[in-house]
Amino acid sequence: QSVLTQPPSVSAAPGQKVTISCSGSSSNIGNNYVSWYQQLPGTAPKLLIYDNNERPSGIPDRFSGSKSGTSATLGITGLQTGDEADYYCGTWDSSLSAAVFGGGTKLTVL
Amino acid sequence: EEQLVESGGGLVQPGGSLRLSCAASGFTFSTYSMNWVRQAPGKGLEWLSYISRNNNIIHYAASVKGRFTISRDSAKNSLHLQMNSLRAEDTAVYYCARDIGGRADAFDIWGQGTMVTVSS
Repeated sequence: QSVLTQPPSVSAAPGQKVTISCSGSSSNIGNNYVSWYQQLPGTAPKLLIYDNNERPSGIPDRFSGSKSGTSATLGITGLQTGDEADYYCGTWDSSLSAAVFGGGTKLTVL
Repeated sequence: EEQLVESGGGLVQPGGSLRLSCAASGFTFSTYSMNWVRQAPGKGLEWLSYISRNNNIIHYAASVKGRFTISRDSAKNSLHLQMNSLRAEDTAVYYCARDIGGRADAFDIWGQGTMVTVSS
């Protein structure tokens, strides 16, 4: 069982918007920065969002991140079939002195 | 191009040892903290270990503490993971990952991964 809780799957039509939630606690999300990753099948994870809402160079602004209290959200607008992937949230857990990830969310673009 | 390349994976018997390496190129390795993350077949990401840029801070996940040892050689731009007392549940793809801010909360460069299989 993961320290951070994500929905196992989400789906939406091409061109639509989807959000993926990540729920934690005061020892992790509540007091630390959140990052988001995209993992296409058979490839290494790719950083989409860091510091809650910052995008690395090269990540389109269709991807956005937000945080409120002990939860974080990844938003993806203008969905494309190429966005079909697993998405993970991550952060530091101050009580565990360990980095933690959510269990992952599989995005299906119908 | 900023790049990480892992090596050293393979098949090992339960109770055995393996040493993974990660070669960094295209960036100043000594200025970044580094991490190891693994992914068991069909499962999610599991963070394993963190080492600060100057070696003075090291963290481990509870699942590997006492069995795995992270180290780095900044002169050779390399990161290592010594894995002892391996178990079947350690079977996974192992990734090294660059730490964007030194806080082990965001990893911006990942290697392609190296597969470790623990089986008799």
